[in-house]
Amino acid sequence: AQRVTQPEKLLSVFKGAPVELKCNYSYSGSPELFWYVQYSRQRLQLLLRHISRESIKGFTADLNKGETSFHLKKPFAQEEDSAMYYCALRSYNTDKLIFGTGTRLQVFP
Amino acid sequence: DAGITQSPRHKVTETGTPVTLRCHQTENHRYMYWYRQDPGHGLRLIHYSYGVKDTDKGEVSDGYSVSRSKTEDFLLTLESATSSQTSVYFCAISEAGKKETQYFGPGTRLLVL
Repeated sequence: AQRVTQPEKLLSVFKGAPVELKCNYSYSGSPELFWYVQYSRQRLQLLLRHISRESIKGFTADLNKGETSFHLKKPFAQEEDSAMYYCALRSYNTDKLIFGTGTRLQVFP
Repeated sequence: DAGITQSPRHKVTETGTPVTLRCHQTENHRYMYWYRQDPGHGLRLIHYSYGVKDTDKGEVSDGYSVSRSKTEDFLLTLESATSSQTSVYFCAISEAGKKETQYFGPGTRLLVL
């Protein structure tokens, strides 16, 4: 079955510290992976997708097929990064997204 | 933000009453989706539409129905609301489904008493 696992409900760091939000997936084929971010009481926004291999707001994520992971990383966290982060998977032959349960990132000053 | 609006933005209703949530888009995108967001569950797909009058069930469709009579509107109906349907409901759109990412609306907070 297709599944996305985000093992951490809450991740708290201080400003300037490195951040890694974990995402593991279960899928037998070639998935598309995404990270969405939701700032307080706002709509979800696409942060990045693995096929574009870009860096947005200093965040990067690399798809590791061997470990079936798509961890989100940022070397130096900022207070404005505090938000809810969702990892999502879309299987190659469907148009539906499967979301993880989300990780709340808190960045303290 | 993509041109997606949801109405109402907040609603309080009583158990057993019907409720309809509206998603409106100005992007002329073909695909539209309804999700619910709950703590510990993330976002779960309720129903989606791949064209006018073309809809399909998602992961948690029980107790919900949808309709899409025109491209720009996707309605979600709770025929008889229950407390377990208290949630935040998000609509999303995508242009071509498989190849494009989804853009989300601002959400509707529904409280069923």
